[in-house]
Amino acid sequence: DAGVIQSPRHEVTEMGQEVTLRCKPISGHDYLFWYRQTMMRGLELLIYFNNNVPIDDSGMPEDRFSAKMPNASFSTLKIQPSEPRDSAVYFCASSLVVAGGPGELFFGEGSRLTVL
Amino acid sequence: AQSVTQLDSQVPVFEEAPVELRCNYSSSVSVYLFWYVQYPNQGLQLLLKYLSGSTLVKGINGFEAEFNKSQTSFHLRKPSVHISDTAEYFCAVKAYSGGGADGLTFGKGTHLIIQP
Repeated sequence: DAGVIQSPRHEVTEMGQEVTLRCKPISGHDYLFWYRQTMMRGLELLIYFNNNVPIDDSGMPEDRFSAKMPNASFSTLKIQPSEPRDSAVYFCASSLVVAGGPGELFFGEGSRLTVL
Repeated sequence: AQSVTQLDSQVPVFEEAPVELRCNYSSSVSVYLFWYVQYPNQGLQLLLKYLSGSTLVKGINGFEAEFNKSQTSFHLRKPSVHISDTAEYFCAVKAYSGGGADGLTFGKGTHLIIQP
């Protein structure tokens, strides 16, 4: 398997523009997570899905952020309108529940977003 | 809720010397514990995890960690580091809930710098 695939790897946009980040999880994984990484706040969980259903979106910072998972092989994180403080690396991760505890999180390489 | 404190933001070590990266957690319930590594411009990879049983856990690349419940710690160690170990290391925690794959809570990371 190719692992978790994220696109774009880098995005530079201007304040007010819409940004869409994409993620393809590992085939067969039933959990998908979106994390944001910044120097100040570290890694923050934004939202996660189980079997395509959003379970917990309490980490989504504002209504400007939205996430969808229309099927088992695709998820998007959208920011509209974007602001400079949204600049960060956004990671997608997927996992499979295993007996005895939580499964390993497999991370994509991240999407580095810069909002000017 | 759970929280993770990584006491050192940066640890410089000479090549072939031993290293310990410190991690303390806070939780009102039993937890699972993890260490992830992030190489430059990459996503996170699992180094090792503690789910139950022996408190000494061995992981990949010669790393090990010891779970100490009384001190709420999960320090990461390696007896002899190599230049290739230069990376960011993250400690993470998840509350034991009998199953499921809720998102992990990560510490802010420790940058391990190997000096020749």
